Amino acid sequence: KQEVTQIPAALSVPEGENLVLNCSFTDSAIYNLQWFRQDPGKGLTSLLLIQSSQREQTSGRLNASLDKSSGRSTLYIAASQPGDSATYLCAVGYKLSFGAGTTVTVRA
Amino acid sequence: GAVVSQHPSRVICKSGTSVKIECRSLDFQATTMFWYRQFPKQSLMLMATSNEGSKATYEQGVEKDKFLINHASLTLSTLTVTSAHPEDSSFYICSARDGGRVNTEAFFGQGTRLTVV
Repeated sequence: KQEVTQIPAALSVPEGENLVLNCSFTDSAIYNLQWFRQDPGKGLTSLLLIQSSQREQTSGRLNASLDKSSGRSTLYIAASQPGDSATYLCAVGYKLSFGAGTTVTVRA
Repeated sequence: GAVVSQHPSRVICKSGTSVKIECRSLDFQATTMFWYRQFPKQSLMLMATSNEGSKATYEQGVEKDKFLINHASLTLSTLTVTSAHPEDSSFYICSARDGGRVNTEAFFGQGTRLTVV
């Protein structure tokens, strides 16, 4: 069974600092990995999708890397803003196995 | 990206009644949809896989008779919580992939906050 772990569980940074969120998974036989953002009481917003054949994917201030062989992905958020405050989830697999998430607070 | 619409966003019902939640893919066809449940401060747990025109596949520990899933068309799946009890109070959320291919992006609905009183 796929196990997904996210570290740290929570992160608080001052505005402008870069964020580094980590995700690890136990079964490297994945098609892709997806990063999501969830605001309190809301649904999930897809941020980035990385295919298993890719090493990284970028969208604006977001960059996600994937090391399939070691079962790791990292989400980088550059120059954080208070609006980036949310819970970030990574998920793998067709049926999506989720990590517990990293709750980010960006202080103004 | 593709849009998945879920309705209602919030519902309060009395214990013993049934509640239906709808999940629609607005601009693509979804042969498969997924239903998740999220407890406070926890991550999402897959409840079942909804297949258009056939029976849903439930994850271990999920009661089929309590959580009825119907996927009657390529754009609509419904989850009915039958004889709801307070312990069924939770956040329910659906997702779908455009075309149902395994390597495409998954999109989520807005979620439904169910409170059973």
